[in-house]
Amino acid sequence: NAGVTQTPKFQVLKTGQSMTLQCAQDMNHEYMSWYRQDPGMGLRLIHYSVGAGITDQGEVPNGYNVSRSTTEDFPLRLLSAAPSQTSVYFCASRQTGTYNEQFFGPGTRLTVL
Amino acid sequence: DAKTTQPPSMDCAEGRAANLPCNHSTISGNEYVYWYRQIHSQGPQYIIHGLKNNETNEMASLIITEDRKSSTLILPHATLRDTAVYYCIVRAYGQGGKLIFGQGTELSVKP
Repeated sequence: NAGVTQTPKFQVLKTGQSMTLQCAQDMNHEYMSWYRQDPGMGLRLIHYSVGAGITDQGEVPNGYNVSRSTTEDFPLRLLSAAPSQTSVYFCASRQTGTYNEQFFGPGTRLTVL
Repeated sequence: DAKTTQPPSMDCAEGRAANLPCNHSTISGNEYVYWYRQIHSQGPQYIIHGLKNNETNEMASLIITEDRKSSTLILPHATLRDTAVYYCIVRAYGQGGKLIFGQGTELSVKP
Protein backbone atom coordinates (compact mmCIF):
# COMPACT_ATOMS: atom_id res chain seq x y z
CA ASN A 1 0.00 0.00 0.00
CA ALA A 2 1.20 3.49 -0.85
CA GLY A 3 -0.88 4.92 2.01
CA VAL A 4 -1.83 8.58 1.62
CA THR A 5 -0.16 10.38 -1.27
CA GLN A 6 -0.17 14.09 -2.04
CA THR A 7 0.88 16.00 -5.12
CA PRO A 8 2.62 18.29 -5.73
CA LYS A 9 5.18 18.43 -2.91
CA PHE A 10 5.96 22.09 -3.57
CA GLN A 11 4.06 24.80 -5.40
CA VAL A 12 4.48 28.53 -5.92
CA LEU A 13 1.47 30.56 -7.04
CA LYS A 14 0.81 34.19 -7.78
CA THR A 15 -2.05 35.97 -6.06
CA GLY A 16 -5.30 35.25 -7.86
CA GLN A 17 -4.20 32.02 -9.50
CA SER A 18 -6.13 28.84 -8.95
CA MET A 19 -4.89 25.33 -8.39
CA THR A 20 -5.85 21.94 -7.04
CA LEU A 21 -3.93 19.99 -4.43
CA GLN A 22 -4.30 16.29 -4.99
CA CYS A 23 -4.77 13.66 -2.30
CA ALA A 24 -5.26 9.94 -2.80
CA GLN A 25 -5.35 6.90 -0.53
CA ASP A 26 -5.37 3.22 -1.36
CA MET A 27 -6.60 1.86 1.99
CA ASN A 28 -10.32 2.07 1.18
CA HIS A 29 -10.79 4.62 3.95
CA GLU A 30 -14.11 6.40 3.93
CA TYR A 31 -13.03 9.38 6.03
CA MET A 32 -10.64 11.93 4.51
CA SER A 33 -9.65 15.41 5.59
CA TRP A 34 -7.46 18.39 4.77
CA TYR A 35 -5.41 20.37 7.28
CA ARG A 36 -3.17 23.39 6.96
CA GLN A 37 -0.19 24.13 9.16
CA ASP A 38 1.34 27.57 9.51
CA PRO A 39 4.80 28.17 11.00
CA GLY A 40 4.97 27.42 14.71
CA MET A 41 1.35 26.32 14.87
CA GLY A 42 -0.58 23.12 15.09
CA LEU A 43 -2.73 21.75 12.30
CA ARG A 44 -6.09 23.33 11.52
CA LEU A 45 -8.87 21.44 9.82
CA ILE A 46 -10.05 22.89 6.49
CA HIS A 47 -12.60 20.40 5.12
CA TYR A 48 -13.42 16.77 5.63
CA SER A 49 -15.45 14.01 4.03
CA VAL A 50 -17.10 10.94 5.55
CA GLY A 51 -17.58 9.24 2.21
CA ALA A 52 -18.00 9.74 -1.51
CA GLY A 53 -20.41 12.58 -2.23
CA ILE A 54 -20.33 13.93 1.35
CA THR A 55 -18.18 16.83 2.49
CA ASP A 56 -18.28 19.30 5.35
CA GLN A 57 -16.42 22.34 6.61
CA GLY A 58 -13.77 22.34 9.30
CA GLU A 59 -12.28 25.22 11.30
CA VAL A 60 -10.86 27.29 8.42
CA PRO A 61 -12.83 26.53 5.22
CA ASN A 62 -12.88 29.99 3.60
CA GLY A 63 -11.06 30.18 0.28
CA TYR A 64 -11.07 26.42 -0.27
CA ASN A 65 -13.40 24.04 -2.07
CA VAL A 66 -13.51 20.26 -1.96
CA SER A 67 -15.41 17.46 -3.62
CA ARG A 68 -15.38 13.69 -3.16
CA SER A 69 -16.45 11.78 -6.24
CA THR A 70 -14.56 8.58 -5.36
CA THR A 71 -13.48 6.88 -2.16
CA GLU A 72 -9.82 7.17 -3.15
CA ASP A 73 -9.49 10.86 -4.02
CA PHE A 74 -10.14 14.08 -2.12
CA PRO A 75 -8.80 17.13 -4.00
CA LEU A 76 -8.55 20.57 -2.42
CA ARG A 77 -9.15 23.56 -4.70
CA LEU A 78 -7.94 27.10 -4.24
CA LEU A 79 -10.09 29.24 -6.52
CA SER A 80 -8.19 32.52 -6.14
CA ALA A 81 -5.00 32.13 -4.15
CA ALA A 82 -4.06 34.73 -1.54
CA PRO A 83 -0.80 35.22 0.38
CA SER A 84 -2.65 34.19 3.56
CA GLN A 85 -2.95 30.71 2.07
CA THR A 86 0.80 30.23 2.14
CA SER A 87 1.10 27.14 4.30
CA VAL A 88 1.86 23.43 4.41
CA TYR A 89 -1.17 21.32 3.57
CA PHE A 90 -1.70 17.82 4.89
CA CYS A 91 -4.27 15.29 3.79
CA ALA A 92 -5.36 12.47 6.10
CA SER A 93 -7.58 9.42 5.96
CA ARG A 94 -8.94 6.78 8.30
CA GLN A 95 -11.37 3.91 8.44
CA THR A 96 -14.87 4.65 9.56
CA GLY A 97 -15.49 4.06 13.21
CA THR A 98 -15.15 6.76 15.75
CA TYR A 99 -11.84 5.90 17.32
CA ASN A 100 -9.59 4.72 14.53
CA GLU A 101 -6.21 6.34 13.90
CA GLN A 102 -5.69 8.76 11.07
CA PHE A 103 -2.97 8.35 8.45
CA PHE A 104 -1.38 11.52 7.14
CA GLY A 105 0.23 12.26 3.81
CA PRO A 106 3.68 13.87 3.43
CA GLY A 107 2.30 17.36 2.83
CA THR A 108 2.29 20.02 0.09
CA ARG A 109 4.25 23.19 0.73
CA LEU A 110 2.42 26.10 -0.95
CA THR A 111 3.74 29.63 -1.35
CA VAL A 112 1.50 32.39 -2.68
CA LEU A 113 3.33 35.52 -3.81
CA ASP B 1 -14.79 19.90 22.49
CA ALA B 2 -12.49 19.27 25.45
CA LYS B 3 -9.34 21.40 25.31
CA THR B 4 -5.87 20.18 26.13
CA THR B 5 -2.92 21.93 27.75
CA GLN B 6 0.67 20.84 27.16
CA PRO B 7 4.03 22.37 28.03
CA PRO B 8 5.49 24.05 24.94
CA SER B 9 8.84 22.28 25.16
CA MET B 10 10.77 19.58 27.01
CA ASP B 11 14.23 18.08 26.90
CA CYS B 12 15.18 14.45 27.48
CA ALA B 13 18.51 12.64 27.55
CA GLU B 14 18.96 9.89 25.01
CA GLY B 15 18.19 6.48 26.51
CA ARG B 16 16.11 7.89 29.32
CA ALA B 17 12.33 7.82 29.59
CA ALA B 18 10.48 10.83 28.20
CA ASN B 19 7.32 11.70 30.12
CA LEU B 20 5.05 14.13 28.31
CA PRO B 21 2.12 15.50 30.33
CA CYS B 22 -1.26 16.66 29.08
CA ASN B 23 -4.09 18.31 30.93
CA HIS B 24 -7.67 17.76 29.68
CA SER B 25 -9.77 18.71 32.66
CA THR B 26 -12.99 19.22 30.66
CA ILE B 27 -12.95 15.83 28.97
CA SER B 28 -16.31 14.11 28.63
CA GLY B 29 -16.92 10.60 29.84
CA ASN B 30 -16.81 8.95 26.44
CA GLU B 31 -14.09 11.00 24.81
CA TYR B 32 -10.77 9.30 24.08
CA VAL B 33 -7.30 10.76 24.50
CA TYR B 34 -5.09 10.50 21.41
CA TRP B 35 -1.40 11.18 20.96
CA TYR B 36 0.22 12.03 17.64
CA ARG B 37 3.69 13.26 16.87
CA GLN B 38 5.14 15.27 14.01
CA ILE B 39 8.77 14.90 13.10
CA HIS B 40 10.12 17.98 11.37
CA SER B 41 8.23 18.81 8.16
CA GLN B 42 6.57 15.38 7.97
CA GLY B 43 2.90 14.49 8.34
CA PRO B 44 1.71 13.68 11.86
CA GLN B 45 2.04 10.08 13.00
CA TYR B 46 -0.37 8.26 15.30
CA ILE B 47 1.18 6.98 18.54
CA ILE B 48 -1.49 5.69 20.90
CA HIS B 49 -4.95 6.36 22.30
CA GLY B 50 -6.96 5.42 25.38
CA LEU B 51 -10.19 5.97 27.27
CA LYS B 52 -9.55 5.29 30.95
CA ASN B 53 -7.22 2.33 31.26
CA ASN B 54 -3.50 2.58 30.77
CA GLU B 55 -2.39 1.52 27.31
CA THR B 56 0.89 0.28 25.87
CA ASN B 57 2.06 -0.46 22.37
CA GLU B 58 5.39 -0.85 20.63
CA MET B 59 5.95 2.89 20.54
CA ALA B 60 4.81 4.20 23.91
CA SER B 61 2.70 3.90 27.04
CA LEU B 62 -0.25 6.08 27.95
CA ILE B 63 -1.12 6.68 31.58
CA ILE B 64 -4.52 8.29 32.25
CA THR B 65 -5.39 9.48 35.75
CA GLU B 66 -8.37 7.96 37.45
CA ASP B 67 -10.41 11.17 37.14
CA ARG B 68 -9.36 11.34 33.46
CA LYS B 69 -8.41 15.00 33.77
CA SER B 70 -4.82 14.43 32.74
CA SER B 71 -2.59 11.92 31.03
CA THR B 72 1.09 11.20 30.42
CA LEU B 73 2.71 9.79 27.33
CA ILE B 74 5.81 7.77 28.13
CA LEU B 75 8.54 6.97 25.63
CA PRO B 76 10.49 4.40 27.65
CA HIS B 77 13.91 4.75 26.02
CA ALA B 78 14.02 7.95 24.01
CA THR B 79 16.28 8.13 20.98
CA LEU B 80 17.37 11.07 18.85
CA ARG B 81 14.74 10.02 16.30
CA ASP B 82 12.03 10.73 18.87
CA THR B 83 12.76 14.46 18.63
CA ALA B 84 9.42 15.84 17.42
CA VAL B 85 6.34 17.83 18.37
CA TYR B 86 3.91 15.70 20.35
CA TYR B 87 0.21 16.48 20.24
CA CYS B 88 -2.29 15.40 22.86
CA ILE B 89 -5.79 15.45 21.38
CA VAL B 90 -9.17 14.72 22.86
CA ARG B 91 -11.36 13.18 20.24
CA ALA B 92 -13.77 15.80 18.98
CA TYR B 93 -17.39 14.94 18.63
CA GLY B 94 -19.39 15.54 15.53
CA GLN B 95 -19.72 14.10 12.10
CA GLY B 96 -16.54 12.42 11.00
CA GLY B 97 -14.86 12.72 14.37
CA LYS B 98 -12.36 15.36 13.32
CA LEU B 99 -9.13 15.83 15.26
CA ILE B 100 -8.48 19.29 16.70
CA PHE B 101 -4.75 19.92 17.12
CA GLY B 102 -3.35 22.27 19.76
CA GLN B 103 0.19 23.65 19.97
CA GLY B 104 1.79 20.44 21.21
CA THR B 105 5.02 19.84 23.11
CA GLU B 106 8.33 20.10 21.29
CA LEU B 107 10.47 17.28 22.65
CA SER B 108 14.21 17.52 22.14
CA VAL B 109 16.16 14.34 22.80
CA LYS B 110 19.79 15.17 23.45
CA PRO B 111 22.82 12.85 23.31
